[in-house]
Amino acid sequence: GAGVSQSPSNKVTEKGKDVELRCDPISGHTALYWYRQSLGQGLEFLIYFQGNSAPDKSGLPSDRFSAERTGGSVSTLTIQRTQQEDSAVYLCASSLGQGVNIQYFGAGTRLSVL
Amino acid sequence: GQQLNQSPQSMFIQEGEDVSMNCTSSSIFNTWLWYKQEPGEGPVLLIALYKAGELTSNGRLTAQFGITRKDSFLNISASIPSDVGIYFCAGPFLKNSGGSNYKLTFGKGTLLTVNP
Repeated sequence: GAGVSQSPSNKVTEKGKDVELRCDPISGHTALYWYRQSLGQGLEFLIYFQGNSAPDKSGLPSDRFSAERTGGSVSTLTIQRTQQEDSAVYLCASSLGQGVNIQYFGAGTRLSVL
Repeated sequence: GQQLNQSPQSMFIQEGEDVSMNCTSSSIFNTWLWYKQEPGEGPVLLIALYKAGELTSNGRLTAQFGITRKDSFLNISASIPSDVGIYFCAGPFLKNSGGSNYKLTFGKGTLLTVNP
């Protein structure tokens, strides 16, 4: 696609349920990032994928959070046993490769945990 | 970790006025990025700065990379209603191992409101 695509755009779930958020990066971009944006805050880095290298998971806030990237393209961020504090906008970005390549962001998934 | 302090937190201005916002850090950055985020959208890159002292313009936007490499500012001239949004500064988090500069650290943003 022309840009980074994320789905769903909005997700409302009950506390304790698992959720999956999807990201389709720009075609040809080898690097993919997930960020979390809480209300009134900047973006918080979660995880980074680059090609076939092992992902940098250092930003994941707990072991309830995991992400995978299949075939070097689409990525899924999974949050297990959601908590109310997980409510935020989850943004995905992609870039051409390593280094400070310009990161292009999707519109995000707004997650609300009731 | 590296922190980016952005100010002001919010601004309310009249259409036509000029705007200035800045970003400071206690650590040296090799790159400064300025993004704009509109409601319901992801951040969009406005300007990228790669050298200390660099001054770059993009239309009515001008940004500078401070010579100390610990600060940057963004100016918007002759503001218009569509300038409304949140403006973020960002820079790459440098790995201690000297690896790739891929993790972006973001400031908390400046919320700009323009009254027509």
